[in-house]
Amino acid sequence: GENVEQHPSTLSVQEGDSAVIKCTYSDSASNYFPWYKQELGKGPQLIIDIRSNVGEKKDQRIAVTLNKTAKHFSLHITETQPEDSAVYFCAAGPLNTGFQKLVFGTGTRLLVSP
Amino acid sequence: DTAVSQTPKYLVTQMGNDKSIKCEQNLGHDTMYWYKQDSKKFLKIMFSYNNKELIINETVPNRFSPKSPDKAHLNLHINSLELGDSAVYFCASSQEGRGSGNTIYFGEGSWLTVV
Repeated sequence: GENVEQHPSTLSVQEGDSAVIKCTYSDSASNYFPWYKQELGKGPQLIIDIRSNVGEKKDQRIAVTLNKTAKHFSLHITETQPEDSAVYFCAAGPLNTGFQKLVFGTGTRLLVSP
Repeated sequence: DTAVSQTPKYLVTQMGNDKSIKCEQNLGHDTMYWYKQDSKKFLKIMFSYNNKELIINETVPNRFSPKSPDKAHLNLHINSLELGDSAVYFCASSQEGRGSGNTIYFGEGSWLTVV
């Protein structure tokens, strides 16, 4: 089955700096890679996703890159702000019909200091 | 107008008790899930239902029994609670296509503490 590793487990940056979170996956059949943000006391919320037919996707200050050959993908946050502080999860899985069997990474706690 | 709502948000109960967590989604999705998040924040799928039928059951003990009366509801019943069941349980839903791809929408979580 799929196995997703995520690094680092914690990341502290100064406001305005960039943050990068990296994930690797094991199953070459996975073709869907979402990133979720979980704020304190809340459920995870999708912030960006990428499918295997593209290598990069950007949405304002966040971007995700995918290297299918190496089986790794990364989340990049530029110009970080204190409200970016949260736990971020990567996930990987097949883009199935009707349901999602995603395997989540272990999470990265991002702390952005003013 | 919460998309995925689950109750209760907090639940403290004694070992051996039976408890239920209810979940409802108003997104019109066909698929619903239960995830468990432990104290280390690891997020793991427990069950998935598509149109009221069980599709994924990830080696969860028989003490956990999901019930889906209709595709908008997926409740989780836990028998004979154990200390190790203490965790945050997230209900979620998704729908193929609809412009949002296969995005999984999570509820706010139910914090279960077994004492």
